[in-house]
Amino acid sequence: DTEVTQTPKHLVMGMTNKKSLKCEQHMGHRAMYWYKQKAKKPPELMFVYSYEKLSINESVPSRFSPECPNSSLLNLHLHALQPEDSALYLCASSQDPSGSLSDTQYFGPGTRLTVL
Amino acid sequence: AQKITQTQPGMFVQEKEAVTLDCTYDTSDQSYGLFWYKQPSSGEMIFLIYQGSYDEQNATEGRYSLNFQKARKSANLVISASQLGDSAMYFCAMRESYYGNNRLAFGKGNQVVVIP
Repeated sequence: DTEVTQTPKHLVMGMTNKKSLKCEQHMGHRAMYWYKQKAKKPPELMFVYSYEKLSINESVPSRFSPECPNSSLLNLHLHALQPEDSALYLCASSQDPSGSLSDTQYFGPGTRLTVL
Repeated sequence: AQKITQTQPGMFVQEKEAVTLDCTYDTSDQSYGLFWYKQPSSGEMIFLIYQGSYDEQNATEGRYSLNFQKARKSANLVISASQLGDSAMYFCAMRESYYGNNRLAFGKGNQVVVIP
């Protein structure tokens, strides 16, 4: 089973709201990722967690705050977002945080975020 | 510099025909991995196929095969017997070899529309 789940599927929020995106996997993967994807563009890496520790932050603004409570869960806390943050947010997981060449990232269905 | 190049404009393909999606890559590493993902309009990125730089055989997975030409630095995806459900954006991605590298470099994608 290569399932990664994400909730909610859609989210509309105002610029002063605080919300969270959730991601879950039960494949025993030890690396988890957040990506942002604008329409008709490739996904852009935001954060990587390896063994529940933040290993990569691609200079993401602090209004995005990731959290990895345990090896199966990944959250993305959102606060004071801007309309340009509207995008599809994809979560992914992979087995091997050491980054072996064949380590495959499996993606969730994404959360479509609209910031008004 | 762009590491993955996918330059074909949107493609229309007749159902049951084969389609080839071009991907060229740029790396000075001898060890690297190449991935293809499919993204339907629903948003989920679906892993299709993997090719390692040292793999002697071209990768195949069901109706998907990878035409790997190392000297030309190309990794074209071939979809045989196209189905309506193959309509999607297809992304080529590469992982270069260094310890702890979880980053995938994505191309800009190829849009495929299968027509009955």
